[in-house]
Amino acid sequence: QKEVEQDPGPLSVPEGAIVSLNCTYSNSAFQYFMWYRQYSRKGPELLMYTYSSGNKEDGRFTAQVDKSSKYISLFIRDSQPSDSATYLCAGAQGGSYIPTFGRGTSLIVHP
Amino acid sequence: EADIYQTPRYLVIGTGKKITLECSQTMGHDKMYWYQQDPGMELHLIHYSYGVNSTEKGDLSSESTVSRIRTEHFPLTLESARPSHTSQYLCASSESEGRSSYNEQFFGPGTRLTVL
Repeated sequence: QKEVEQDPGPLSVPEGAIVSLNCTYSNSAFQYFMWYRQYSRKGPELLMYTYSSGNKEDGRFTAQVDKSSKYISLFIRDSQPSDSATYLCAGAQGGSYIPTFGRGTSLIVHP
Repeated sequence: EADIYQTPRYLVIGTGKKITLECSQTMGHDKMYWYQQDPGMELHLIHYSYGVNSTEKGDLSSESTVSRIRTEHFPLTLESARPSHTSQYLCASSESEGRSSYNEQFFGPGTRLTVL
């Protein structure tokens, strides 16, 4: 079983839609949960991270973690064509902070 | 401007050649990492370093080697390239523990390697 599971998509939505991206994980030692965004031919960049369970909001983006069900979510409100990218979820243990990545979900927002 | 650089961006090379992928960062980060990423697949950690003269192997077994002689430089070498080494190689860096609650990894643009 992979430590972080993520549906690769692609997920295609119209501009302005609310997008929900999800992951599950199996490593109970994870304390930090991250969402990275990766554009084509680029390296990933950190969107946001969450410590333990709970919600975190940053502009149009909201990250949720439910440690009891080992479920990670990212919500994007008012999605834009510029949000089209691959979104990678990851978990990390405290101390090393080295992330274990899912395979990413490809998101396409069409005008 | 602080950044992380990788060269070359693209490399097509024949089997048996020795190659070195370059990675440099100007952020003064102690930690540096190499990941391998195939299309549509997870990033797999192949090497990391916590500082000068420190190198460790990652989760994914790799025939490549790394060195860390200077803080800002973390090159990856393949002594004899094979078609199975064809992949994208991503370099990243981060601060050491204790300076923030989560030490974000900053990624370079990657090197896309094709071995014929």
